[in-house]
Amino acid sequence: EIVLTQSPATLSLSPGERATLSCRASQSVSSYLAWYQQKPGQAPRLLIYDASNRATGIPARFSGSGSGTDFTLTISSLEPEDFAVYYCQQRSNWPGTFGPGTKVDIK
Amino acid sequence: QVQLQESGPGLVKPSETLSLTCTVSGGSISSYYWSWIRQPAGKGLEWIGRIYTSGSTNYNPSLKSRVTMSVDTSKNQFSLKLSSVTAADTAVYYCARDSRYYDILTEQWGQGTLVTVSS
Repeated sequence: EIVLTQSPATLSLSPGERATLSCRASQSVSSYLAWYQQKPGQAPRLLIYDASNRATGIPARFSGSGSGTDFTLTISSLEPEDFAVYYCQQRSNWPGTFGPGTKVDIK
Repeated sequence: QVQLQESGPGLVKPSETLSLTCTVSGGSISSYYWSWIRQPAGKGLEWIGRIYTSGSTNYNPSLKSRVTMSVDTSKNQFSLKLSSVTAADTAVYYCARDSRYYDILTEQWGQGTLVTVSS
């Protein structure tokens, strides 16, 4: 099973600031890495798939990059609705596995 | 826009079987993989397994011995059974629709249902 680690565990930022979240895989997942956003009491929502492709309806301030074992999710300018937990997920091997999450909270 | 809704008992006794159903509305259940994913309170996400509308399944090896999934295309429903539950199975259980074009990628989720394992 591929293990994903995310850093930092918590990111405290202000609205308008840039957020940079990291995800590292225990082995190469090529570009088969997705990012999800989860708000309290809600199901996760797909943001990015295959490292850099935004899902339908996702604003351009969300971008993803990386390949192999190291990936980054960038939120260029945080909006109030972006404060949430973000999970990465690999789809290179079954079962798909998720990272432990990065919480982006208001500073 | 397809919608998914989980249903089933919110409380299950230890050693018994957890049973959940996901009802799909606003679209056909055909030609997709349908998944179950769970999340213990305050923790991360675990993919339990998935089922195709033909009945073909993939289970997480960590749970495979206890998991059974089924699909009823006539009712637009799919189901999860998890046997011999313990307190460690207490979680919010989500049903989800996988992408038609990208393997092992979920695009649409239900709201989730909390299942507590306790006597």
